[in-house]
Amino acid sequence: DAKTTQPNSMESNEEEPVHLPCNHSTISGTDYIHWYRQLPSQGPEYVIHGLTSNVNNRMASLAIAEDRKSSTLILHRATLRDAAVYYCILRSTGTSGTYKYIFGTGTRLKVLA
Amino acid sequence: DSGVTQTPKHLITATGQRVTLRCSPRSGDLSVYWYQQSLDQGLQFLIQYYNGEERAKGNILERFSAQQFPDLHSELNLSSLELGDSALYFCASSVVDSHYGYTFGSGTRLTVV
Repeated sequence: DAKTTQPNSMESNEEEPVHLPCNHSTISGTDYIHWYRQLPSQGPEYVIHGLTSNVNNRMASLAIAEDRKSSTLILHRATLRDAAVYYCILRSTGTSGTYKYIFGTGTRLKVLA
Repeated sequence: DSGVTQTPKHLITATGQRVTLRCSPRSGDLSVYWYQQSLDQGLQFLIQYYNGEERAKGNILERFSAQQFPDLHSELNLSSLELGDSALYFCASSVVDSHYGYTFGSGTRLTVV
C-alpha cells in the first residue's frame, strides 16, 4: 500500500506563506492526493485534493511534483487559526473496486504571532 | 455544526463490554466513513459505507462491526472492549462515493476502564 511521509512539526510566522511537504514515493497512477487538517478539539476538515495538476481553492494550493512522488500544501498567508495538524492522504484503489485510505503521520503546524 | 451528528459525545464503559456509536450523515450524503484516533496511533481509517453497502475497509478489528441503515445513518459496534480501544471515534460523510469534501462530525470519546 502506498504510504505518505510528513515532517512531525513545522513552525511559521503569522502572515507568511507556509509550505507543508509530503512524500509519497510509492504512489500509483490512480491514487489521489488529499489534504485534511485537524484543529484542536475538532474533527478533521477537508482542505484540498488533486491527481496530477496543481490545484487552488479558497483555503490553500496544492503543488504536485511532475513524477507525483511528492506534493506540497501551500497556505499563502498563515494565520493563528491555521494552527492544526495537517494530514496528507492517498486515496488508493483496492481490489474489487473498493478504495483504501492511508493517512500520513500528520504535520503539526505552529503559527507564531 | 458540520451537519454530521455523532452520539453520544462521551462514553465510559468497562472492559469486556459492548457499545454502539451512532452517526447521522449530512443531509444528502450517501457515504459514511468511520475513523479511530488514539494518542499513539494517530488517525486510522476503519470502514466506509456507501448507500447501505460496505465499500472500503481499513484497520478495523474483527471485534468491531458497522452498518448503514436505509435512512443512511450508521452505527459502529465495538465489542469485547479492551483498554486499548479508548479513543476518539469520528464519523465523516460525503455526497457521493468520491473524495470531494468529506465532512467530519465532532467525534465520540470512548473511555474503557
